[in-house]
Amino acid sequence: NAGVTQTPKFRVLKTGQSMTLLCAQDMNHEYMYWYRQDPGMGLRLIHYSVGEGTTAKGEVPDGYNVSRLKKQNFLLGLESAAPSQTSVYFCASSYRAGTEAFFGQGTRLTVV
Amino acid sequence: GEDVEQSLFLSVREGDSSVINCTYTDSSSTYLYWYKQEPGAGLQLLTYIFSNMDMKQDQRLTVLLNKKDKHLSLRIADTQTGDSAIYFCAESLTSSASKIIFGSGTRLSIRP
Repeated sequence: NAGVTQTPKFRVLKTGQSMTLLCAQDMNHEYMYWYRQDPGMGLRLIHYSVGEGTTAKGEVPDGYNVSRLKKQNFLLGLESAAPSQTSVYFCASSYRAGTEAFFGQGTRLTVV
Repeated sequence: GEDVEQSLFLSVREGDSSVINCTYTDSSSTYLYWYKQEPGAGLQLLTYIFSNMDMKQDQRLTVLLNKKDKHLSLRIADTQTGDSAIYFCAESLTSSASKIIFGSGTRLSIRP
């Protein structure tokens, strides 16, 4: 029973490089979210999706893009990484609006 | 606006009760959650309360909601060393499709 799986778990990038974080859920959830967690700032919503083929901006979307081509996957892309994007990234999913969100284990990204 | 606030730190003696407080601003919230994050892990839902309830009890956990003051609290009875973690308050909003807004988290430490 995998739940929400994020890959990779750790990554170091140089400024200007690009990468994609993958989130996969096996619970048939409609809603998926990408958050970043920074010390003293809690979790801030980057982008979210309310179903396959849909995406929407959250609180801090600049510098990130997302895609939801398949219901079970939600990809977060960084086109040109910046040191300000050093953070821990969490993916989450929920069955519908307002229900419990299930979280992945996080991806620790360092941009040097 | 949408904002959830918590104090950053709480220290309690083992065996005492812990009370973690949270205030929120959006009156359209439908569910209010408490999540627990242990070191190096993702967030795990501890408990939640519907916005039309005043109190919910689940074993050692008691959630109190004061809608008038927009104040939520989590009481952990007989606090144990395994309760050391960061606790996040969160609200889901009906006014903004499926967004869940998190507080900055309260780090609970246990003294022997």
